[in-house]
Amino acid sequence: GAGVSQSPRYKVAKRGQDVALRCDPISGHVSLFWYQQALGQGPEFLTYFQNEAQLDKSGLPSDRFFAERPEGSVSTLKIQRTQQEDSAVYLCASHRGVNTGELFFGEGSRLTVL
Amino acid sequence: AQSVTQLGSHVSVSEGALVLLRCNYSSSVPPYLFWYVQYPNQGLQLLLKYTTGATLVKGINGFEAEFKKSETSFHLTKPSAHMSDAAEYFCAVNYGGSQGNLIFGKGTKLSVKP
Repeated sequence: GAGVSQSPRYKVAKRGQDVALRCDPISGHVSLFWYQQALGQGPEFLTYFQNEAQLDKSGLPSDRFFAERPEGSVSTLKIQRTQQEDSAVYLCASHRGVNTGELFFGEGSRLTVL
Repeated sequence: AQSVTQLGSHVSVSEGALVLLRCNYSSSVPPYLFWYVQYPNQGLQLLLKYTTGATLVKGINGFEAEFKKSETSFHLTKPSAHMSDAAEYFCAVNYGGSQGNLIFGKGTKLSVKP
């Protein structure tokens, strides 16, 4: 597609359940980022991939969070044993790989943990 | 720690009035600077960016921003607000880490009164 596609758009999980959020970046975009946006806050960096390599995962809040991009295109963010504090919008962004910082964002996946 | 500060979480203007949204960053080294807009239930959309060169940058929808190194600021302006400008606006900076990782401010919600 023409833009960054994320699914599901909305996810409701019971506390303790595992969830998986998918990101399909713009075709040919080398770099892929995941951000977490809590209600009323700006996006906060979670992790970054260049092709299939995860070069920075310093923003992942705990070892319950795991991200992968095995073939260098689609990425999955997995959250194990979800907690209420994980409720947020998870944004995926990509860019061509040129470090101008212009990221193209998907519409996000809104996770609500009950 | 490097940070971005947006003064005012909520700004309200009348239609036709000047829009001024403030952004300051913390760095002695000029970063790349961005303004993104987020409409309800949509992803972040780039309004404008400063990388190098002219310090007055023009973006989409009549917005512009001026990079002032001495003030470490990158305020967003629009001479005449339109109802369709109502949205949340995020200032972001790229300090060069993680090949393009952006640090976002907390956002300013702009309301436009008729």
